[in-house]
Amino acid sequence: DAGVTQSPTHLIKTRGQHVTLRCSPISGHKSVSWYQQVLGQGPQFIFQYYEKEERGRGNFPDRFSARQFPNYSSELNVNALLLGDSALYLCASSFWQGAYEQYFGPGTRLTVT
Amino acid sequence: RKEVEQDPGPFNVPEGATVAFNCTYSNSASQSFFWYRQDCRKEPKLLMSVYSSGNEDGRFTAQLNRASQYISLLIRDSKLSDSATYLCVVTRGSNYKLTFGKGTLLTVNP
Repeated sequence: DAGVTQSPTHLIKTRGQHVTLRCSPISGHKSVSWYQQVLGQGPQFIFQYYEKEERGRGNFPDRFSARQFPNYSSELNVNALLLGDSALYLCASSFWQGAYEQYFGPGTRLTVT
Repeated sequence: RKEVEQDPGPFNVPEGATVAFNCTYSNSASQSFFWYRQDCRKEPKLLMSVYSSGNEDGRFTAQLNRASQYISLLIRDSKLSDSATYLCVVTRGSNYKLTFGKGTLLTVNP
């Protein structure tokens, strides 16, 4: 079975631009969470979506938004990019909202110049 | 104070050594605890859950002390393939949100 997939793998953007990152969860998983991992730090929670509804939001500005589609895939959008948004963006899927066992995708490495 | 704090590391040990990682958490309402492993430039992967009674998986032993709000991971007979960053993770109640520590880098040398 395929694991969590994310696209693109790498991305280079300029300050002020916007970016859309995509995630497909493991088949049968209904929950998708997004995490940001800055170099040298642990991942930090951004959003969780379950059954197409936002169920949780971390301490990130409104420039960050996300949505989940009927097929449970998800998009993370970041507007007005800042240099500090450069990070590895990880998507994790789980079967249901409260499932602790979350499976991470390989991530999208975003560089903002 | 950060919610999850780990040994800063890095740890450099020879093959066959025993190494211990320590982690403390600040929120006494935390209920579930995990160790994740992250290889360089890869995604985190669940290594093991941590239970109050302690648990062991081969060369790996995890311990939880709720009174001290302290979690540990012991690796015995280290292998070169154990080289990675080890992340301490906590959650609260039915909260879906994983709260990660900064991670501790382990390098096992031949």
